[in-house]
Amino acid sequence: DAGVTQSPTHLIKTRGQQVTLRCSPISGHKSVSWYQQVLGQGPQFIFQYYEKEERGRGNFPDRFSARQFPNYSSELNVNALLLGDSALYLCASSLAVGSSYEQYFGPGTRLTVT
Amino acid sequence: AQSVTQPDIHITVSEGASLELRCNYSYGATPYLFWYVQSPGQGLQLLLKYFSGDTLVQGIKGFEAEFKRSQSSFNLRKPSVHWSDAAEYFCAVGAMGRDDKIIFGKGTRLHILP
Repeated sequence: DAGVTQSPTHLIKTRGQQVTLRCSPISGHKSVSWYQQVLGQGPQFIFQYYEKEERGRGNFPDRFSARQFPNYSSELNVNALLLGDSALYLCASSLAVGSSYEQYFGPGTRLTVT
Repeated sequence: AQSVTQPDIHITVSEGASLELRCNYSYGATPYLFWYVQSPGQGLQLLLKYFSGDTLVQGIKGFEAEFKRSQSSFNLRKPSVHWSDAAEYFCAVGAMGRDDKIIFGKGTRLHILP
């Protein structure tokens, strides 16, 4: 069975540009969460979506937005990129909402902002 | 506020030796606790989790962890490490709110000597 997939694998953008990252959850999973992992740090929660609705948002500026599609895939958008947005962006999927449901992480998208 | 502290940034052990990675958490109630492992180029993989019940939790790859409420600790142990255990290890706590946000520590990098 395919795990969580993310695209692209790597991305290089310039300050001020906009970027869209994509995530396909495990088949049957209806919840998707996004995390940002800066080099040398643990992942930080950005968003969780369930059944196309936002369930939670972390402490990130409004430049970060996301959405979930009817097939449960998700996109993370970041506008007006800053150097500090350079990070590994991880997507995680789970069957449903509830901390007892294991979250399965994808390999991530490495974003470099120059 | 919930937080996770991993006091050791790097740990080096010889292959075949025992391992203990330390983790302390701050949370108002009984938390959901996790240990994840991240290898280069890989996403996060769940090693084990504690929700309730027996405070000694068995995980995959021969790892175990013990929840000690009095010490707010959830240390990870393995009796005999293998070279393939070299990776970054993250302790995490699950916030039980409207979302399934996971709060991660900064990680401990494990190095294995042959």
